[in-house]
Amino acid sequence: DAKTTQPNSMESNEEEPVHLPCNHSTISGTDYIHWYRQLPSQGPEYVIHGLTSNVNNRMASLAIAEDRKSSTLILHRATLRDAAVYYCIRPSLLGTYKYIFGTGTRLKVLA
Amino acid sequence: DAGITQSPRHKVTETGTPVTLRCHQTENHRYMYWYRQDPGHGLRLIHYSYGVKDTDKGEVSDGYSVSRSKTEDFLLTLESATSSQTSVYFCAISEGMGAGYGYTFGSGTRLTVV
Repeated sequence: DAKTTQPNSMESNEEEPVHLPCNHSTISGTDYIHWYRQLPSQGPEYVIHGLTSNVNNRMASLAIAEDRKSSTLILHRATLRDAAVYYCIRPSLLGTYKYIFGTGTRLKVLA
Repeated sequence: DAGITQSPRHKVTETGTPVTLRCHQTENHRYMYWYRQDPGHGLRLIHYSYGVKDTDKGEVSDGYSVSRSKTEDFLLTLESATSSQTSVYFCAISEGMGAGYGYTFGSGTRLTVV
């Protein structure tokens, strides 16, 4: 099963860091972790992805646990424009590769 | 944006009528996907394509067919629309189908079947 587990919703204050958790306890050694976000009335957009080590880009950081059974997306300074649904996805190389989206975490950013 | 457009953006149709949604890309990516999004379900994969004339089913393919006659276009057809197919439909593209490849999504088509 390529599903992941995320909290349904989280809140953060503006300009504070946000840590969005994801559990993927059945992950295999070759599965990447991908994060996407979906702003209101838009399609999902790519945020970041990684395999084993922590990853950084201009949008966010991805911290992957040593056992790879969980990961955390870190937004260093949340802005009101970061309010979105964040999806953690574990595409699997077993069988046909495709993304399975869960229901994600709805992030609310408070001014 | 990344060169993927969906048309139409909005459509209202009657039950039993055929409907075709179009996804057009200018990125020359090999892989294309159709998803639907409904409240409480997140995004669910309908069909995907791994090349011209090469397509396969996703999680929720019943009632849908697809065609890809050229790299840039991926069509989703509802042969006889039903109210349960009222949804927001997203197309996505990817350069490869390995785990390190990201997807780029279109802006969506909101379909209402009355």
